[in-house]
Amino acid sequence: NAGVTQTPKFQVLKTGQSMTLQCAQDMNHEYMSWYRQDPGMGLRLIHYSVGAGITDQGEVPNGYNVSRSTTEDFPLRLLSAAPSQTSVYFCASSRRMTGQETQYFGPGTRLLVL
Amino acid sequence: GNSVTQMEGPVTLSEEAFLTINCTYTATGYPSLFWYVQYPGEGLQLLLKATKADDKGSNKGFEATYRKETTSFHLEKGSVQVSDSAVYFCALSEPNAGKSTFGDGTTLTVKP
Repeated sequence: NAGVTQTPKFQVLKTGQSMTLQCAQDMNHEYMSWYRQDPGMGLRLIHYSVGAGITDQGEVPNGYNVSRSTTEDFPLRLLSAAPSQTSVYFCASSRRMTGQETQYFGPGTRLLVL
Repeated sequence: GNSVTQMEGPVTLSEEAFLTINCTYTATGYPSLFWYVQYPGEGLQLLLKATKADDKGSNKGFEATYRKETTSFHLEKGSVQVSDSAVYFCALSEPNAGKSTFGDGTTLTVKP
């Protein structure tokens, strides 16, 4: 199993550009999430999904869009990039089973917005 | 809402020293508690977990006990190694919530 994969590993954008960060998992996990990691601020939840066709906002959803058409994929779209979105983005997945909520993380996408 | 508070870092220790990283939480229900570790340039990976009160999670010499009465899940290791240098995150997850709440992370540096 590849686990959770993310592409690209690194991206540079200009202010106003749009892009999609890809995330896929092959563990048949029901739950998937997107976090951003900034120095000194831990991980902040952007959006999450409890199953195909179901998404919800997290702590910092503004400027981001998600959809979940399949169990495996959960792309994150930046609609109009801003320098404040410079960060490291992590995708994670977990099972829908009480006591098995361990999050499995991808390797991250480092995004720089100029 | 839920929250996780970790002791402020960074923490610098000499090899073979005792490690404690404090973690307290606020939750509305009965969450599972986790410690994750992040090595440079990588994503987070599970270090240990506990799913109910008084459970002790352990892995690679690290331990943490789920204390409901003090809402705490402190991470301990008796003798740290240079290879333990990393960022440690405390986290909680409510059943069927589909998401986790993380602390700000504590950077541990172990010097030879």
